[in-house]
Amino acid sequence: GENVEQHPSTLSVQEGDSAVIKCTYSDSASNYFPWYKQELGKRPQLIIDIRSNVGEKKDQRIAVTLNKTAKHFSLHITETQPEDSAVYFCAAKWGRGSGTSYDKVIFGPGTSLSVIP
Amino acid sequence: GAVVSQHPSWVICKSGTSVKIECRSLDFQATTMFWYRQFPKQSLMLMATSNEGSKATYEQGVEKDKFLINHASLTLSTLTVTSAHPEDSSFYICSARRSGGDTQYFGPGTRLTVL
Repeated sequence: GENVEQHPSTLSVQEGDSAVIKCTYSDSASNYFPWYKQELGKRPQLIIDIRSNVGEKKDQRIAVTLNKTAKHFSLHITETQPEDSAVYFCAAKWGRGSGTSYDKVIFGPGTSLSVIP
Repeated sequence: GAVVSQHPSWVICKSGTSVKIECRSLDFQATTMFWYRQFPKQSLMLMATSNEGSKATYEQGVEKDKFLINHASLTLSTLTVTSAHPEDSSFYICSARRSGGDTQYFGPGTRLTVL
């Protein structure tokens, strides 16, 4: 069935260090992989996404890599700051077509990131 | 752009009553809206996909007669929790997506407490 796994479940890093969160997905037909950041009591916010025709995407301190063969994708945060502390969710889109009513996005279990000043 | 609102932000109700939660896309038309449930320190569990003008698609294990979803317009979807019980207490979050797009924009969520 549809499944997204995410590791680690918790991650603590020193300010300035890098953080890496890894996800795997079960459906090889998945073609869209967003990452969301959720601060306590707030809504999930999209921070970066990648489509299956791209292997890597970067936006300032955040980068995402995708290995379609292995069905792995990862989030990399460099030069971490205390405000990066939050829960991060990876997700993968299941279904047919882009933006059709037959697809859905399944979320991983989340990673709680703590950046220690 | 791409702002999604939810109302109410929190609600407390008695067991056996029904509660309606609204999800609105404020500055774009959302052909598809999604309803999620989130337990403390847990992930977002997809409950159903709501398509404008058609019946919602429910995920396995979600009772369609208990969680009524209506997507009457391109900017509004509602979730009604019928005959609510304490085990329905949770954080309910909606998201909305433009036609042809992939990105989901989330609402702020609704905290439901059933006494």
